[in-house]
Amino acid sequence: DVKVTQSSRYLVKRTGEKVFLECVQDMDHENMFWYRQDPGLGLRLIYFSYDVKMKEKGDIPEGYSVSREKKERFSLILESASTNQTSMYLCASRRSAGIANEKLFFGSGTQLSVL
Amino acid sequence: AQKITQTQPGMFVQEKEAVTLDCTYDTSDQSYGLFWYKQPSSGEMIFLIYQGSYDEQNATEGRYSLNFQKARKSANLVISASQLGDSAMYFCAMRALYNFNKFYFGSGTKLNVKP
Repeated sequence: DVKVTQSSRYLVKRTGEKVFLECVQDMDHENMFWYRQDPGLGLRLIYFSYDVKMKEKGDIPEGYSVSREKKERFSLILESASTNQTSMYLCASRRSAGIANEKLFFGSGTQLSVL
Repeated sequence: AQKITQTQPGMFVQEKEAVTLDCTYDTSDQSYGLFWYKQPSSGEMIFLIYQGSYDEQNATEGRYSLNFQKARKSANLVISASQLGDSAMYFCAMRALYNFNKFYFGSGTKLNVKP
């Protein structure tokens, strides 16, 4: 069974800390994504990566960075966590095949609380 | 710009009844894909159904069907014979077919199935 695994389900950090959210997929997918989910706002794209060491900004990249050193792993980094980054973070992956119905596969999410 | 609107923040349905979750979208693109995802309390987003803008027939997957009305720009999800396990958040999403990595999500509908 295909799998996207996020390292933590719940995380509590302090303001100003550097935070790493890790995501690993076992499907050999080229594309990986980080979304932020907030009530009433749905999912918003932070960053995505279409290949190792390649990345593109999504709709809300401010305050975040990403790293993709290996194909299966995509990390989201909060350089200096702030309380407004308290949210659910969802990692996803997708094949690069040019098929119209190619869907996203999601992890279970990391609920991050910044105090 | 693309936008997805889900106007029902929460809904109740009696077990074994059918329910329709509304989704309207705004796009100037001619080619696009529409997706529905289910998010149980466990957090993982589960793909349910896909509809392409050029598909002539409404998509169906088991108890899920998509009522696609292109002229009205709506893509409502119909769940037949609701089960207790259908209680979850449901998200509608759209992707332009020229940009496989850009998905737009609605704000979601929380469905509660009553026994």
